[in-house]
Amino acid sequence: AQSVTQLGSHVSVSEGALVLLRCNYSSSVPPYLFWYVQYPNQGLQLLLKYTSAATLVKGINGFEAEFKKSETSFHLTKPSAHMSDAAEYFCAVTSTGGGNKLTFGTGTQLKVEL
Amino acid sequence: EPEVTQTPSHQVTQMGQEVILRCVPISNHLYFYWYRQILGQKVEFLVSFYNNEISEKSEIFDDQFSVERPDGSNFTLKIRSTKLEDSAMYFCASNSGGLNTGELFFGEGSRLTVL
Repeated sequence: AQSVTQLGSHVSVSEGALVLLRCNYSSSVPPYLFWYVQYPNQGLQLLLKYTSAATLVKGINGFEAEFKKSETSFHLTKPSAHMSDAAEYFCAVTSTGGGNKLTFGTGTQLKVEL
Repeated sequence: EPEVTQTPSHQVTQMGQEVILRCVPISNHLYFYWYRQILGQKVEFLVSFYNNEISEKSEIFDDQFSVERPDGSNFTLKIRSTKLEDSAMYFCASNSGGLNTGELFFGEGSRLTVL
């Protein structure tokens, strides 16, 4: 079985500060890992994905994540937070290219303050 | 850009009533999914569907739930007799399968409120 754990259900940062959202995974087979973002009253939008190529993955809106097998982690970062980044962020894992379900973490609500 | 579309965006129903949520996946995709998100909670897998049959379902997906692909474009989720605890946002997703990266494309969701 696969799972992801997101540490911190709520994270608050100042505008311009570093954003760090943590995700650790558990998988018995090589994982594919994803970060999705959900803005209020909207659906899930893919931010970025790791699919066994480069371990440092760049996504939309200036976000990036690094796959660290030794730490079973896939933390999401952004050097400088913007007010528009306020949203809920979900880490998710699956094991193969197609047909298998994504398993989501519990989500982290990011708040950006002036 | 192709997208997954869902209708209705919001439905209010009385407990015990049947509800059908509709989805139009991306046209060349082969795998279809329903997820739900109860307010304030995480996104939970309900069911996956491939080649006109259920490929996997969760414990949540009991006999009150069913899915169907009645034609070449729609993918529906039916709840036969709704309960208060079925109130949630329901997301449809699709995936092209094969050698893709496992990325799911989600619709904007259907909010179900059971009174």
